[in-house]
Amino acid sequence: DAKTTQPTSMDCAEGRAANLPCNHSTISGNEYVYWYRQIHSQGPQYIIHGLKNNETNEMASLIITEDRKSSTLILPHATLRDTAVYYCIVRPSNAGNNRKLIWGLGTSLGVNP
Amino acid sequence: NAGVTQTPKFRILKIGQSMTLQCTQDMNHNYMYWYRQDPGMGLKLIYYSVGAGITDKGEVPNGYNVSRSTTEDFPLRLELAAPSQTSVYFCASSSRDRAGAEAFFGQGTRLTVV
Repeated sequence: DAKTTQPTSMDCAEGRAANLPCNHSTISGNEYVYWYRQIHSQGPQYIIHGLKNNETNEMASLIITEDRKSSTLILPHATLRDTAVYYCIVRPSNAGNNRKLIWGLGTSLGVNP
Repeated sequence: NAGVTQTPKFRILKIGQSMTLQCTQDMNHNYMYWYRQDPGMGLKLIYYSVGAGITDKGEVPNGYNVSRSTTEDFPLRLELAAPSQTSVYFCASSSRDRAGAEAFFGQGTRLTVV
């Protein structure tokens, strides 16, 4: 199963873009990249996912490199409410119908006023 | 639409006591999961289920049991509570008919064993 590497912590100024990197150099061709975040003491919240192409939704953009070995989550205009731990997860190849997610330690993003 | 609901939100148990953490979802999802999260750590999978009547072990199943008699409910049972089970427990669910389906999480149960 592919593993991910993320910086432990990052800071961002309110109103600026937050760019959160993730390395997944052992990702295989049929594995998706997921991003979740966890605001203090709450359940994780889905943000976005992608396979090969860049993706954008109302919350964020996901940029995946052409070789798929790394990706970047972009929060275009960070607010104080975006302060959270952000998890980059590679969904393991299915064994039967499993959809297990392997969680690392994530990046703690602090948005400063 | 309530999503994934967990009860209780907080609980203190004495060593050796037992309890059931309740989880219910109203999205008709076949897949459900139980995770635990220790302080400053990522989530670890305890058990999961791919549909009613079907459960399987995750990464850290020892000391826990689950059942899945209906699509909606996926309770987690602790039979003999130990201090090592002090943690925050999250239940989640996901659909099975879309590739890359997202998981929806409950708000967690904070358990302390003393």
